[in-house]
Amino acid sequence: NAGVTQTPKFQVLKTGQSMTLQCAQDMNHEYMSWYRQDPGMGLRLIHYSVGAGITDQGEVPNGYNVSRSTTEDFPLRLLSAAPSQTSVYFCASSTSVLGLAVPYSYNEQFFGPGTRLTVL
Amino acid sequence: QQQVKQSPQSLIVQKGGISIINCAYENTAFDYFPWYQQFPGKGPALLIAIRPDVSEKKEGRFTISFNKSAKQFSLHIMDSQPGDSATYFCAASLVDYKLSFGAGTTVTVRA
Repeated sequence: NAGVTQTPKFQVLKTGQSMTLQCAQDMNHEYMSWYRQDPGMGLRLIHYSVGAGITDQGEVPNGYNVSRSTTEDFPLRLLSAAPSQTSVYFCASSTSVLGLAVPYSYNEQFFGPGTRLTVL
Repeated sequence: QQQVKQSPQSLIVQKGGISIINCAYENTAFDYFPWYQQFPGKGPALLIAIRPDVSEKKEGRFTISFNKSAKQFSLHIMDSQPGDSATYFCAASLVDYKLSFGAGTTVTVRA
């Protein structure tokens, strides 16, 4: 299994340009998400999806669009890039697993290698 | 506003020493508290996690201590090794899938 893959690894854009960050997973996970990582801010959730055809906003959704037409793919679109979107972007996927002793569930999120985006 | 506050921002420890990272949260509805480890140029990876019905969980040299009444949890790295040098993130989850992350702690282990 390749796990979670992301392309491209690096990208430089000019202000106002648009682009799509690609994310794919081969683990048949129902849940996928996009985070951005900035120094001193940790990882912040941009958008997430609990299954094909279902998406929702996270903590910092402005300026980003997503769609989920298949279980495997979850692309992130920047409609009009701004310097504030300079960041490292991570895609993650997970499934829900029932605990053995109590009826809890936990979600190990598997992260991709990231895309480093610079907007000039 | 960050829902999970993490400290310190960075720490340096000698090989064989103990690294301690602390996190605090406000939302008492959080029910899952994982720690992720991230090496430079890589994505984060799950290291260890705890549910609020236990006060401590140990996996090898890594231990989570959880204090529900104080709304705090911490990661202890015992016998720290140079290979433990990484950035560590605490996180908390309200429902199954949405994680709120702390700001991260960069740990440097000196040989």
